[in-house]
Amino acid sequence: QQQVKQSPQSLIVQKGGISIINCAYENTAFDYFPWYQQFPGKGPALLIAIRPDVSEKKEGRFTISFNKSAKQFSLHIMDSQPGDSATYFCAAGGSQGNLIFGKGTKLSVKP
Amino acid sequence: NAGVTQTPKFRILKIGQSMTLQCAQDMNHNYMYWYRQDPGMGLKLIYYSVGAGITDKGEVPNGYNVSRSTTEDFPLRLELAAPSQTSVYFCASSTPRTGQETQYFGPGTRLLVL
Repeated sequence: QQQVKQSPQSLIVQKGGISIINCAYENTAFDYFPWYQQFPGKGPALLIAIRPDVSEKKEGRFTISFNKSAKQFSLHIMDSQPGDSATYFCAAGGSQGNLIFGKGTKLSVKP
Repeated sequence: NAGVTQTPKFRILKIGQSMTLQCAQDMNHNYMYWYRQDPGMGLKLIYYSVGAGITDKGEVPNGYNVSRSTTEDFPLRLELAAPSQTSVYFCASSTPRTGQETQYFGPGTRLLVL
């Protein structure tokens, strides 16, 4: 009940294309869903986050879509750029502070 | 603010040796965390602390110990290192309350046990 399942494991997208990464969770008590971006040799950094009271949140080229009934959420990267090449982690958590992370998606954006 | 700092950046240990991974934060966060990251496995929580003097086990605590004597510092101790502890270790901090659940990560410590 504590798992967060993330797919795909890896993704190759052409420059200018749309990157889509999906996550599913089980625990309905989760109320905070962040996405983290990690570049090689660096620690993860928060990219964007959403709460279940909204179905979509957009920040620049990054959008989270959230489906509460299906217990799924996804990250969309519009107009993908080579600089977006990184590993992306979804996570789920709540006000108690702990986060459960997905296994990550390695995104490569080809020029 | 330096944020979350970790030392060392890289360390090689022999089987059975012990070491302490250091973590410090200057953001006055009450929550601190230790994760390990293995290829393709995401981030696994080892231990966490909700404040000075309070620690609790995460998903993979075996072989590790922690202490939290101050708000700023949260060292991770490895006793009797084993090859299975070869990993990248990340420390993070946060101050969870409504709208403030963001965890801030340090740059990581790469540990190789041979």
